[in-house]
Amino acid sequence: AQTVTQSQPEMSVQEAETVTLSCTYDTSESDYYLFWYKQPPSRQMILVIRQEAYKQQNATENRFSVNFQKAAKSFSLKISDSQLGDAAMYFCAYRVTGNQFYFGTGTSLTVIP
Amino acid sequence: NAGVMQNPRHLVRRRGQEARLRCSPMKGHSHVYWYRQLPEEGLKFMVYLQKENIIDESGMPKERFSAEFPKEGPSILRIQQVVRGDSAAYFCASRRVDNSPLHFGNGTRLTVT
Repeated sequence: AQTVTQSQPEMSVQEAETVTLSCTYDTSESDYYLFWYKQPPSRQMILVIRQEAYKQQNATENRFSVNFQKAAKSFSLKISDSQLGDAAMYFCAYRVTGNQFYFGTGTSLTVIP
Repeated sequence: NAGVMQNPRHLVRRRGQEARLRCSPMKGHSHVYWYRQLPEEGLKFMVYLQKENIIDESGMPKERFSAEFPKEGPSILRIQQVVRGDSAAYFCASRRVDNSPLHFGNGTRLTVT
């Protein structure tokens, strides 16, 4: 079964601090893609970062970076220098070669001023 | 390049009526996905379509729900004889043929009274 697990329903972080959101997945595929999406109160789903499973180097986008551990099937998101605008629901997702995308249940991030 | 366009943004239907949700993918995108999101929950896959073809409808209820993506025009998610349990936010997402990520619309919030 293809599943994505986000074990932290809620997280909070002080403004300017760093927070890590966890994600694990289960797949028998060797070639796949991983994503983090952000859903602010506006409900718009916004792509934050992506990672190709065949790449060993962790993806980075400005203050956002991932820790991809392929053997452990772990894909955590690190947000550095947290800002108030980072407050949102964060969804981990992965896509396999069959073109299907699977999403986790989300982590609600609160940024404390 | 306009993003994924969904309309209406809000839709109110009485029990037993039909709901039609429209999605225009981004220009150049030939793959469309529909997801459903209940309050405080993640995204549940419903159906994956390419132009004139349903690729995967494993997440869509067998009765009352149907989807299409015609050669011309938007993708349509149709819910017949709506019930209160159909109340949710419905998101459409599209992508190109290659290994690009999903781009989401703003969603349609369906309320069944």
